[in-house]
Amino acid sequence: EAGVVQSPRYKIIEKKQPVAFWCNPISGHNTLYWYLQNLGQGPELLIRYENEEAVDDSQLPKDRFSAERLKGVDSTLKIQPAELGDSAVYLCASSFGPGNYEQYFGPGTRLTVT
Amino acid sequence: AQKITQTQPGMFVQEKEAVTLDCTYDTSDPSYGLFWYKQPSSGEMIFLIYQGSYDQQNATEGRYSLNFQKARKSANLVISASQLGDSAMYFCAMREGQGSARQLTFGSGTQLTVLP
Repeated sequence: EAGVVQSPRYKIIEKKQPVAFWCNPISGHNTLYWYLQNLGQGPELLIRYENEEAVDDSQLPKDRFSAERLKGVDSTLKIQPAELGDSAVYLCASSFGPGNYEQYFGPGTRLTVT
Repeated sequence: AQKITQTQPGMFVQEKEAVTLDCTYDTSDPSYGLFWYKQPSSGEMIFLIYQGSYDQQNATEGRYSLNFQKARKSANLVISASQLGDSAMYFCAMREGQGSARQLTFGSGTQLTVLP
């Protein structure tokens, strides 16, 4: 069974440029999460989707971050414009839904903003 | 207050020895779940073990066991017979409330190094 797929694995951009990350969850997983992980810290939730609906985006900086999950499968997280402080690893995870306790994570996208 | 506290930024253990990674948590919700994840240098978070707040027995998964002390609000991970491949960052996490769709709150992690 394929795991959570993320691309790109690494991205280097200059500040004020836009950037987008893509995530394809495990087949059949209805719940999708985007996490931000700063160096030396644990992941922090940015947004959670139930199918195509964003049900928890309270920690997403909406002035520059946006996300979408069209058709309730893969998802895109965008930053525009990027700032130096956005340098981090962006992790995508998915879970089957109610009754299943495990979140499965992708390898992450390491973003460096210069 | 921190919901998940991991007080050991780094730990060393000799190969084949057992090691305990500490985790304390803070919640007023009677229903919660505790998780441990491993994050090797490749970056992927790997699920290791889960303990529900109502589970009577400590969870075990192969060489991993969770020492759950509810009154002390601790959920320490015990790795028996450490292997070189166990060297990684380990995160404790908590989900409060019912259902798998609740968010996970992670601790700051413990970097484990297994010495040959």
